[in-house]
Amino acid sequence: RKEVEQDPGPFNVPEGATVAFNCTYSNSASQSFFWYRQDCRKEPKLLMSVYSSGNEDGRFTAQLNRASQYISLLIRDSKLSDSATYLCVVTTTGFQKLVFGTGTRLLVSP
Amino acid sequence: GAVVSQHPSWVICKSGTSVKIECRSLDFQATTMFWYRQFPKQSLMLMATSNEGSKATYEQGVEKDKFLINHASLTLSTLTVTSAHPEDSSFYICSARSLAGGDEQFFGPGTRLTVL
Repeated sequence: RKEVEQDPGPFNVPEGATVAFNCTYSNSASQSFFWYRQDCRKEPKLLMSVYSSGNEDGRFTAQLNRASQYISLLIRDSKLSDSATYLCVVTTTGFQKLVFGTGTRLLVSP
Repeated sequence: GAVVSQHPSWVICKSGTSVKIECRSLDFQATTMFWYRQFPKQSLMLMATSNEGSKATYEQGVEKDKFLINHASLTLSTLTVTSAHPEDSSFYICSARSLAGGDEQFFGPGTRLTVL
């Protein structure tokens, strides 16, 4: 079983739609959680950290459920520029290593 | 913000040759640098963790004699792919964590290696 699992998609949605991505992780000792965005042939860029209390940044809302080892990302009012691959990332003890999920591809169409 | 550069951004080489990739933190000092590899349609896989002045720690399945890592200063780490073969063709990305602390890793723009 992979340490971080995501639905690879692609998710095809129209502009303005709301889309949700899910992620599960297997290591209960994981300490920090993030969503990264990666555009084609580019490096990943940090989108937001994820906290148990949930956090929101504009159109993006992230949620963490430690009991279920489940992380989510909600994107409201999708824009064309949101088209990218969204990577779920967890860190191990001591925040040393980032473990990446395979990513979920989002395609927003006009 | 913290900037990490990589050089070269892409390289094409013949099978059997060695290729060196540089990773530099431009506006901060990095205690730790990480090297990742990403094959098409797959996620980033950590290859090794390097700390300035000490030997790199390699992930399971990564050959340390094939992927030589040198972290000679707080702003520079290099990855040398020795005797490259076509199966080494991949996107190599480095990241760096600041000496000033914090969890965030700052990623370089990546190097696309194609071995013919």
